[in-house]
This record gives sequence, C-alpha cells and structure tokens, in this order.
Amino acid sequence: DIQMTQSPSFLSASVGDTVTITCRASQSISNYLNWYQQKPGKVPNLLIYAASTLQSGVPSRFSGSGSGTDFILTISSLQPEDFATYFCQQTYTGPRTFGQGTSLEIK
Amino acid sequence: VQLQQSGPGLLKPSQTLSLTCAISGDSVSSNRAAWDWIRQSPSRGLEWLGGTYYRSKWYNDYAVSVKSRITITPDTSKNQVSLQLNSLTPEDTAIYFCARGKAALSYGMDVWGQGTSVTVSS
Repeated sequence: DIQMTQSPSFLSASVGDTVTITCRASQSISNYLNWYQQKPGKVPNLLIYAASTLQSGVPSRFSGSGSGTDFILTISSLQPEDFATYFCQQTYTGPRTFGQGTSLEIK
Repeated sequence: VQLQQSGPGLLKPSQTLSLTCAISGDSVSSNRAAWDWIRQSPSRGLEWLGGTYYRSKWYNDYAVSVKSRITITPDTSKNQVSLQLNSLTPEDTAIYFCARGKAALSYGMDVWGQGTSVTVSS
C-alpha cells in the first residue's frame, strides 16, 4: 500500500494567518491527491482534488500544489470556520489511503 | 445525491457487521463513480476499507488490513451498496461511512453517508 504522511500533526495559528500542511506519499502518485476538511462530529468535506483543483463551493483561500510525492495545502487569511482537521488522500492506485490528519487549532 | 446508511451499532466479538448504504440521485451502476466504505477511529484515523465500481463489469478493491474479512456488494435492484465485515474484534470499533468517489474529481469523495457508530464489545 502507498503510505501517506502528513506534517505537522498539530498546528496552532491565528485568524488572518497563512498556514501550510504537507503530505508526502511513499511513492509517486502523479497528481492523484485529494484534501479534505473535517469538523468535530461531521463527515469529511472534499476541498481539493487532483492536487490543485478546488472543489465547487470551496473558498479561494484554499489552494493545493504538488505532484509526484510531495504536496502542500495552503490556507490563506485563516477564518474562524477553518479551524478543523485536514486529511490528504491518494487515489492513484490500490487502497485509497489517507494521511493521519493535521489538527488546526486557534492560537 | 444522498447516501443513507443503516445497520446495527453494537456487536459482540466474532460477529459479523452488516451495513447498507442506500443511494439516491445517482446509480450504483454508474461508470463515473466508485462506492467506498471508510471507517474512522481515534487510534487508526481515517481508514479506507474498500469499494466497488462498475465498468462494463463489477470490480472490488479492498484494503490489505481487512481483505480476508470484508465483502462489499452492490445491489442494483435496490440501488445500494452493502458492507460485511466478519470476525469482529474490539479493534473494529469505529464510525463507518459510505462515500461516493467521483471519477471526474480524481475519485475524490464528494458525497458521504451520515456515518454509523459501531461498537464491538462483549
């Protein structure tokens, strides 16, 4: 299976900050990388697919980049509703594995 | 598109978990989607368990961690997909979700069921 490793596991930031979350695949996955946001008690919400394409309805302060093994989720000008847990997921081949998650907390 | 999950939430070790995911607004036979099962627990995070999809014939993929115990079955007459996981242990305690992986979204999961909290305990 392809292993997905996110960093950091925890991130503390303030409203208005810009933050980045990294996801690394154990082998090349081209651009088959998706990002999700999950709030407590809710189902995950697809933010970005194919590494950099914003899902319909997602604010433009979210952006994704990368290909191969290294990917970045950037959230610009953090809003209060952005404090949540973020997951990456590869859909390149085999089991569609998730990263372990990054919990974004208010500083 | 909506996914409605049903099934029991409390089971004993060695029993079999059976969940269904009723699909409305799309077809389980769509050649533009995959229908997946995922679970989530504090210890294991989000874990993709497996999925089924139709591309002129039916295909199934399963996670290695559960491959010997899992069966995912589409039901075209009811437009639903079912999960069976046998030989349960307390480590299978988790919230279980079904989700649609849409081909046009790089199989990103854009629609999720509401989740079923499953506890395995004697």
